[in-house]
Amino acid sequence: DARVTQTPRHKVTEMGQEVTMRCQPILGHNTVFWYRQTMMQGLELLAYFRNRAPLDDSGMPKDRFSAEMPDATLATLKIQPSEPRDSAVYFCASGTGLAGMETQYFGPGTRLLVL
Amino acid sequence: GQQLNQSPQSMFIQEGEDVSMNCTSSSIFNTWLWYKQDPGEGPVLLIALYKAGELTSNGRLTAQFGITRKDSFLNISASIPSDVGIYFCAGQSAGNNRKLIWGLGTSLAVNP
Repeated sequence: DARVTQTPRHKVTEMGQEVTMRCQPILGHNTVFWYRQTMMQGLELLAYFRNRAPLDDSGMPKDRFSAEMPDATLATLKIQPSEPRDSAVYFCASGTGLAGMETQYFGPGTRLLVL
Repeated sequence: GQQLNQSPQSMFIQEGEDVSMNCTSSSIFNTWLWYKQDPGEGPVLLIALYKAGELTSNGRLTAQFGITRKDSFLNISASIPSDVGIYFCAGQSAGNNRKLIWGLGTSLAVNP
């Protein structure tokens, strides 16, 4: 049963610390998305990649957030330095080809709390 | 960013009742999607709609792509306790780099 995996599942850190979240997309999927979910804003698209190339990161605060795909099996989202307002659930999702924009398969999320 | 208007925000129903929720947009969409999110998990795709007027079922779930292409509806018949969760609509337009626009969700609670 192919699934998107994310690590860590939970992260508690102090303001100013670096946070790195990792995602392993479903094997064969060429599109990877990073979302942030909060009660107030719902699901916000932060960035997405196709064939490991960043296509759109306009939803991401550029000064502290960065997203990369070192290889086809790993996507990372980093926050440096972290702030309390970054507390949220961060989801990674993957999909395939043009249809990947619709049929996105989500991971279980990383629950981040910045104190 | 742009969001869809999803209603109701929450529902509390008795097991066996039917449920209806909807999403509206000021923009025309080419695709409407309905996802369900269980506690502690990521959203899971339930139904995808690609044509105006399309009516698609998935078990007890039925969704419709509105004729105006600015709305969509999801119905759940004969609800059961495992239907509990948050239901999200998402729409995709031809422009906007084909990014999905998400509703804020409808939280469903089912009383056994």
